[in-house]
Parts: sequence; C-alpha cells; structure tokens
Amino acid sequence: DAGVIQSPRHEVTEMGQEVTLRCKPISGHNSLFWYRQTMMRGLELLIYFNNNVPIDDSGMPEDRFSAKMPNASFSTLKIQPSEPRDSAVYFCASSNPSGRVTDTQYFGPGTRLTVL
Amino acid sequence: SQELEQSPQSLIVQEGKNLTINCTSSKTLYGLYWYKQKYGEGLIFLMMLQKGGEEKSHEKITAKLDEKKQQSSLHITASQPSHAGIYLCGADRGRAGGTSYGKLTFGQGTILTVHP
Repeated sequence: DAGVIQSPRHEVTEMGQEVTLRCKPISGHNSLFWYRQTMMRGLELLIYFNNNVPIDDSGMPEDRFSAKMPNASFSTLKIQPSEPRDSAVYFCASSNPSGRVTDTQYFGPGTRLTVL
Repeated sequence: SQELEQSPQSLIVQEGKNLTINCTSSKTLYGLYWYKQKYGEGLIFLMMLQKGGEEKSHEKITAKLDEKKQQSSLHITASQPSHAGIYLCGADRGRAGGTSYGKLTFGQGTILTVHP
C-alpha cells in the first residue's frame, strides 16, 4: 500500500511567487494534517482536516497561507505571496481516527521549500 | 512547543552503548507517540503509548509511559549506526470525556549520533 505522497519534493522559488504544495493521503484515511518544520521552531501543525473539512487552522501563520481538501484523496497548501521566512520543510500526514482511540499519523516525505 | 520538553537536545554515543531520551509534558496526556526522522526524510512511526505505566518494545527500542501519563522515555539498547537520526515525541492531550484531541504537539527532537 502506498504511503502519503507529497509533491514536489523540492521547490525553489523567488520571493513574491505563488507556491502550491500537494498531498495525497493514504487511501481510507479521513484525517489529513499539514506541518512545517524549521530548525528554530521545530515541527508545527499548520492545519488539519477531518472528512475533507478544516477542523483547526490555528497554526496557519497568516493570510498568505491557505489549504484546501477538495476530496478525500487530495489536499493542497498554497502560499501567496511567498517570503524567504517561509523556507522550511512542509510535511503532510494522514490518519484514520476512530474517536476514542488515538490513531497514528503517517507522514509523507516532505517538500523542502526554499524562497530566495 | 513549550508544552512538551525533550531531553537531551542531542546525544553522541559509541556503537554498542545504551541510551535514553526523555519527553516530559506539563499536562496529563491522552496518548504519546515516538517517531524517528532521518535527515531529508519524513517521520517514521515507532510506538504509541496510551496507558499509564505502559511499556512497549520493538527490536532494541523500548518506550515507557509513566503512571501519571506525563513523562515518557525511549531507551535504545546496544545502539547501532542505523539508530542515528532525530527522535521526536508527539503528544495527544485528549479532550474532556476521554477522547482523542485529534492533533499532536511535538517536542523539539533529540539528535542522536552513533559512532561506529
């Protein structure tokens, strides 16, 4: 079974450009998470969806960031306009929560974003 | 996140030595996860602990959760170079009523180096 798939794996862009990161969760998982990892701040949750609905976006840094999940097998994280401080590794993770039991999150390989 | 403290921040050991990484929460947890990350890659799930006093082992790695469910340790016996990487603990602080909070807060990580 394929794991979480993210694309692109690496993205280099210039300040002010729009960046779109993509994620395909594990089939059958109904929760999807977007994280950002930097040396300074560690691994931070940006937003998570349950059954394609955003549940908690309190971690989204500002209005330049937006995320969508149009269906159960695809999600995007968009940054517009991008800034150098957005440079980080962005991870997508998915899980299949059952409510009473904590369910394991499985992570994708990440997208390394560099904004020049 | 300041809610979850990992120690030490980094660890350098000689191959064959035992080592312990700690993860401490200021609040009682619903569940505690351990992940391993290699540079440039995603997080690999190791173990999840949910019950006070619980202990789980996989190969040479043992994780424990204390009775109060606020502190966890990860112990590696007879370390090998393949154990090198970043170890992160992730906490589900749960909701009133005893269900999952739905998202995890991660510690800053422990960088493990194993010299052959």
